[in-house]
Amino acid sequence: KNEVEQSPQNLTAQEGEFITINCSYSVGISALHWLQQHPGGGIVSLFMLSSGKKKHGRLIATINIQEKHSSLHITASHPRDSAVYICAVVTPGGGADGLTFGKGTHLIIQP
Amino acid sequence: KAGVTQTPRYLIKTRGQQVTLSCSPISGHRSVSWYQQTPGQGLQFLFEYFSETQRNKGNFPGRFSGRQFSNSRSEMNVSTLELGDSALYLCASSTWTGDVGGSPLHFGNGTRLTVT
Repeated sequence: KNEVEQSPQNLTAQEGEFITINCSYSVGISALHWLQQHPGGGIVSLFMLSSGKKKHGRLIATINIQEKHSSLHITASHPRDSAVYICAVVTPGGGADGLTFGKGTHLIIQP
Repeated sequence: KAGVTQTPRYLIKTRGQQVTLSCSPISGHRSVSWYQQTPGQGLQFLFEYFSETQRNKGNFPGRFSGRQFSNSRSEMNVSTLELGDSALYLCASSTWTGDVGGSPLHFGNGTRLTVT
């Protein structure tokens, strides 16, 4: 089973700071998802990537397949970015363990 | 384009009862997957349906089951409820690739189930 570790578990920062959230995994994957969950439960898919880097607005996601590591960056952070960020890895042919989630990073951006 | 719709939003049941949750996917999406989220275990994959057939199943007991209809709407059922089944249940729709999570996932807002 793919072991997914996220760091940090909790992060409090000031508005405007550059934020980095990390995700590492133990077994080779075909893709990785970054998800955002606001209080109340709804989950929004931010990125799905299998190599390189993707950018959407102030969010940037990178993945290094050789090192089994991905990062999510938030530039010019804003209080509305406060949420739980979850990474999930897709293990091809993984069956019951084909999609494995990290425990999440609880981010608070203070004004 | 309408998003993924889950009903009901909240549910309170008693131990031993059964419950059915519903999920309507985004129009055109034929794959529906279900997830359980608890404070202790986080998000865990339950099962995935495509074309009315269960294609992948997570590590959950047989009390957890589901089905998909010809219009791609899906239901999940939990029988003989236990206190530990209290959780947020989420469904997601996507296009089908064969691997769970092999294409971008579109989540509903979830059903919060409380078992007393």
